Amino acid sequence: DADVTQTPRNRITKTGKRIMLECSQTKGHDRMYWYRQDPGLGLRLIYYSFDVKDINKGEISDGYSVSRQAQAKFSLSLESAIPNQTALYFCATSSSHPDTQYFGPGTRLTVL
Amino acid sequence: GEDVEQSLFLSVREGDSSVINCTYTDSSSTYLYWYKQEPGAGLQLLTYIFSNMDMKQDQRLTVLLNKKDKHLSLRIADTQTGDSAIYFCAEDGNTDKLIFGTGTRLQVFP
Repeated sequence: DADVTQTPRNRITKTGKRIMLECSQTKGHDRMYWYRQDPGLGLRLIYYSFDVKDINKGEISDGYSVSRQAQAKFSLSLESAIPNQTALYFCATSSSHPDTQYFGPGTRLTVL
Repeated sequence: GEDVEQSLFLSVREGDSSVINCTYTDSSSTYLYWYKQEPGAGLQLLTYIFSNMDMKQDQRLTVLLNKKDKHLSLRIADTQTGDSAIYFCAEDGNTDKLIFGTGTRLQVFP
């Protein structure tokens, strides 16, 4: 079984819709992250959480929100999706330094 | 500010060595990392190097770190078609977050 799972794997939605992407992990890690990947831009950090009560904005948090429901679950929401949020979204977890991060398989989101 | 740069593409013949380069700006980074992303998958850690080292070897992989020039490289010996992927370097900037490079797409041809 995969250590980090993401649902859905693919989603097509329309401008203005609310979307939630979910991430679950079985590694027992405290730290969880959401990134988006765009061609030629690498991975950019959206939000991160070091424990259930700790939520931090990343490099590109505008237009996104997160919820850390439990140590194992970290969800990303787009309150009102827009086309430039079309991207590949990855969840990751880590324990501590060295900050080896374990990635989920990704969610491909298309906003029309 | 933090900025990690890589060339976007590299093409090599099967059996040759590949060298993927990365430059970073934060000299306070404790560790530097190389991740591999295969098509349709998330990133997987390949290797990492502690900032007080200048070289690390792991089977076909050799990591070289030049702290003075803030330059990191990944050499893959005897490159195989299965090595075709996107390779990301990352630095931690002595923080609890990773800053990833733009990724280098390695294409291996017969």
